[in-house]
Amino acid sequence: DGGITQSPKYLFRKEGQNVTLSCEQNLNHDAMYWYRQDPGQGLRLIYYSQIVNDFQKGDIAEGYSVSREKKESFPLTVTSAQKNPTAFYLCASSIYRGDQPQHFGDGTRLSIL
Amino acid sequence: GENVEQHPSTLSVQEGDSAVIKCTYSDSASNYFPWYKQELGKGPQLIIDIRSNVGEKKDQRIAVTLNKTAKHFSLHITETQPEDSAVYFCAATPSGGSYIPTFGRGTSLIVHP
Repeated sequence: DGGITQSPKYLFRKEGQNVTLSCEQNLNHDAMYWYRQDPGQGLRLIYYSQIVNDFQKGDIAEGYSVSREKKESFPLTVTSAQKNPTAFYLCASSIYRGDQPQHFGDGTRLSIL
Repeated sequence: GENVEQHPSTLSVQEGDSAVIKCTYSDSASNYFPWYKQELGKGPQLIIDIRSNVGEKKDQRIAVTLNKTAKHFSLHITETQPEDSAVYFCAATPSGGSYIPTFGRGTSLIVHP
């Protein structure tokens, strides 16, 4: 079955560490997105990529970085500059560039030790 | 930018009752309004959407209505079942630019057997 795979499901980070969240899709979708979800809040966009080797900042990009070297992969790095990284992170994709997110992964929950 | 308000934040109903979730948006340029269902520990799933040239759309027990003049749209679930229990998110997407949706804060629907 086609879909989005996020790994790991749970991740723990020590203060001052960078961590990378994996997102892989086998849907052959052009666009991919990273969202952050906090309790009682909607989804906030971190970064998105409409095409390989190109990505754009979302509303809360500070302290995060991404790459899009392959169509199927869009990893997110949470850097030590992100002062409040504890959250649920969701990766999404859409068939075409300029389309809305249609498929979401099951998320990675990041916690600070 | 776009601002989406969603109410109520929590909705508790008895099995078989109807449930209504309402959203308002601020940007009159928005023309696509998806609804997502998120079950515990999972990513959101697109369940229904509506475009600005349509006033109502139905899919079995769920329906969405849109009032462009008043800038509000609603999700209606009839004959609710316990498996409808989840968090529901609305979103509004502009017609130009990045086509990135702005999400509401979510409604936790609880259906009591």
